[in-house]
Amino acid sequence: RKEVEQDPGPFNVPEGATVAFNCTYSNSASQSFFWYRQDCRKEPKLLMSVYSSGNEDGRFTAQLNRASQYISLLIRDSKLSDSATYLCVVNKPLVGATNKLIFGTGTLLAVQP
Amino acid sequence: GAVVSQHPSWVICKSGTSVKIECRSLDFQATTMFWYRQFPKQSLMLMATSNEGSKATYEQGVEKDKFLINHASLTLSTLTVTSAHPEDSSFYICSASRFRSTDTQYFGPGTRLTVL
Repeated sequence: RKEVEQDPGPFNVPEGATVAFNCTYSNSASQSFFWYRQDCRKEPKLLMSVYSSGNEDGRFTAQLNRASQYISLLIRDSKLSDSATYLCVVNKPLVGATNKLIFGTGTLLAVQP
Repeated sequence: GAVVSQHPSWVICKSGTSVKIECRSLDFQATTMFWYRQFPKQSLMLMATSNEGSKATYEQGVEKDKFLINHASLTLSTLTVTSAHPEDSSFYICSASRFRSTDTQYFGPGTRLTVL
């Protein structure tokens, strides 16, 4: 089983649509969760951290369910500029060593005009 | 703040040559730097973690003699791909964090390596 699993998509949605991405992780000891955005042939950029109580940043809402080891990202009112690959990222705590980040393979979003 | 640069942004080389990639934190001191590799349509895979002044810790399956990592200062880490082969062609991305205990990593723009 992969440490972080995502639906690869692609998700093709019209402008203005609401779209949701899901992610599951296998390490119950993970404490930090993130959504990154990666444009084609570019480095990943942090979109938002995900907190236990859920958090919102403008049109983006992230949720975390620790019991189910499940993370979600909701994008409302999709824009053309939201087209990218969205990476679910989870930390892997290591005793006596630097924590690692584990990246999902990403979900490709294509917003159509 | 928290800008990370990489150089070169792309490189094409012949099989058997060595390629050095630099990763710099421009406006902060990076205690820890990470090197990732990303093949097309795949996720970022961590290759190694390096703490300033220490030997790098390599992930399973990554040859330390082939991918030489040096983190001699708090603002610079280098990755040297020795005797590169076409299968080493990939997108190499570094990231840096201020502290060992933090999960916040700042990513460089990546280096696209093509080995002919």
